[in-house]
Parts: sequence; structure tokens; C-alpha cells
Amino acid sequence: AQSVTQPDIHITVSEGASLELRCNYSYGATPYLFWYVQSPGQGLQLLLKYFSGDTLVQGIKGFEAEFKRSQSSFNLRKPSVHWSDAAEYFCAVGARPSSYKLIFGSGTRLLVRP
Amino acid sequence: GAVVSQHPSWVICKSGTSVKIECRSLDFQATTMFWYRQFPKQSLMLMATSNEGSKATYEQGVEKDKFLINHASLTLSTLTVTSAHPEDSSFYICSASRRVDKTGELFFGEGSRLTVL
Repeated sequence: AQSVTQPDIHITVSEGASLELRCNYSYGATPYLFWYVQSPGQGLQLLLKYFSGDTLVQGIKGFEAEFKRSQSSFNLRKPSVHWSDAAEYFCAVGARPSSYKLIFGSGTRLLVRP
Repeated sequence: GAVVSQHPSWVICKSGTSVKIECRSLDFQATTMFWYRQFPKQSLMLMATSNEGSKATYEQGVEKDKFLINHASLTLSTLTVTSAHPEDSSFYICSASRRVDKTGELFFGEGSRLTVL
């Protein structure tokens, strides 16, 4: 069965510091992977997605993620965090693009210190 | 483009009443819409998948008679929480897939917070 694990419930970084949010997945075939961001009381916004090809994926707001099949990971990174990045981040896996049925991880709350 | 809007954004109701939440795709036709429930500080749990003009497909453990879903058009899906109880209080989020889009991207509404007294 598909599953997504985000081992860090919350992470605190200083503004300007680099960020890495971890995501591990379990899926029997080629996964389709997504990172979403949710601001308090809001819906989700897609940051980036991986379907195939280059394992390093660039997204919006300066985020990137790297798919590592050998580690079953899809970690999200940003070289320099801004205070506005404080939010909840969700990793998700889908069976295939056209199914749209996503399994979400439990989320990681990012706090940014001034 | 690709905006999904939910209404109302928050609602308070008395126990035993029914509440309807709307999910609209404002600038595209949505092949499929999804309804999720999110408890505080937890992830999104898929409740059901609705396709325009057909019955919704509910996830295991979700009561069909309690959470009525109607997808009457390619731009509107509604979730009705019937005979609401305090334990139904939650944040409900919808998402939609674009009819012409095969990339698997979903577009999410801003969510609706339901509080049942």
C-alpha cells in the first residue's frame, strides 16, 4: 500500500538559513510525488511535482526537491528561507497522474526565526 | 487561472442541523473533484471522489448518508453534512482536476471550517 512519511512534525530555522524537509514514501511502482504548502486556515498550493525525468525538480518560491529512488525519498529544499515561508508543508504520492488520488504525509510545520 | 473557491469559508451550526459546502472551479471545467477532511495539526484525509453526473466514490469508513456529495456540473460540487454533530467539526477542503489537464495536478480550495455546537 502507498504511504508517505514526514518524520519531522515541526522544524524551526532562522531567516536566511537553508532548509530541508524530509519525505519518504512507500509505493510498489514508479511514484508520482508532490509537495504542497498550506498557510494557516488556507487550502493547499502546489510547490512542485515529480513525474519522471530529471530527479532534481524546481518549483515555485525558490523551492526544489530531489527524487532518490534508492532511498525512497523526495526531500524538499530551499537555500535561503524567508519569514513568509512559515507554513505547513505536505508531501504526497499519487499512483499515476491521471488518477489524482493522492496520499498525503502528516505534514511538517515550518517556523522561521527572525 | 485554475482557481477553486469554497463557500462558506467558515460556518457554525447547531447539532442536528445540516450544512452545505460548495466547491467551485471558477475558470476551468473540473473532471473530478475531491473532498478532504483535516483535523487540527493533522494531514488531509480523502473522504470521497466525485465525478460530474455520477455518484461519488467514498473512502472506507466515510458514511455516505452523512456526507452527501453532489457534482451537478463541471464547475460545482457540494458536500452536505447531514444531522451534524460536534465530532463533525473539522476543516473541509476540496480539490479539482482540470478536464484538459493530464499532468495530475490538483487545485485546492481555501477550505471551509465547520463548527458544530
